Amino acid sequence: NAGVMQNPRHLVRRRGQEARLRCSPMKGHSHVYWYRQLPEEGLKFMVYLQKENIIDESGMPKERFSAEFPKEGPSILRIQQVVRGDSAAYFCASSPPLAGSRPGANVLTFGAGSRLTVL
Amino acid sequence: DAKTTQPNSMESNEEEPVHLPCNHSTISGTDYIHWYRQLPSQGPEYVIHGLTSNVNNRMASLAIAEDRKSSTLILHRATLRDAAVYYCILRDNTGTASKLTFGTGTRLQVTL
Repeated sequence: NAGVMQNPRHLVRRRGQEARLRCSPMKGHSHVYWYRQLPEEGLKFMVYLQKENIIDESGMPKERFSAEFPKEGPSILRIQQVVRGDSAAYFCASSPPLAGSRPGANVLTFGAGSRLTVL
Repeated sequence: DAKTTQPNSMESNEEEPVHLPCNHSTISGTDYIHWYRQLPSQGPEYVIHGLTSNVNNRMASLAIAEDRKSSTLILHRATLRDAAVYYCILRDNTGTASKLTFGTGTRLQVTL
């Protein structure tokens, strides 16, 4: 049972290019979350998606960032026109459907992360 | 999610027990207490969670105060591999599942 798979693990982009980060959730998981961790800083929530729906994007920068979780295939975090400040580790997590009447017991499984370096 | 307070860092000797405290005085009656940890250069990892009763699993134990305003994560025998940042997070049980909000956590150093 493979865990949450993220690729690429390392990505180097020049300023102005686009970065696409992919996340395949665990089998049976229908919820996906993206987090960003800047060097020497904490984990910051970006977006929460279910299949074909964005549920909470309160942590997404207003410009250049977008996320999707299509009916088929992995979730994609897309960063357009990257800048040096986008250099960070991007973590994806997935969780199963809500556990009946106990959504608070819902547990997230994280991937190993994608490390973006912008030159 | 309600706020938690943890010490910035703690140290432990290998093979000794470690008690990582967390204060959550504004916890609501429906909040679950979750612990995650992040080892260096890795993604966060679930450790344990509980609501009211103490909990044990293969990784750790969670002791929850009777008034639920604090909890303690217990690593029974720390190893060098337990060196990580440990996060105590409250997770709302009302409505739909939502994001986890990570604070600054406790950085645990384990020495020989």
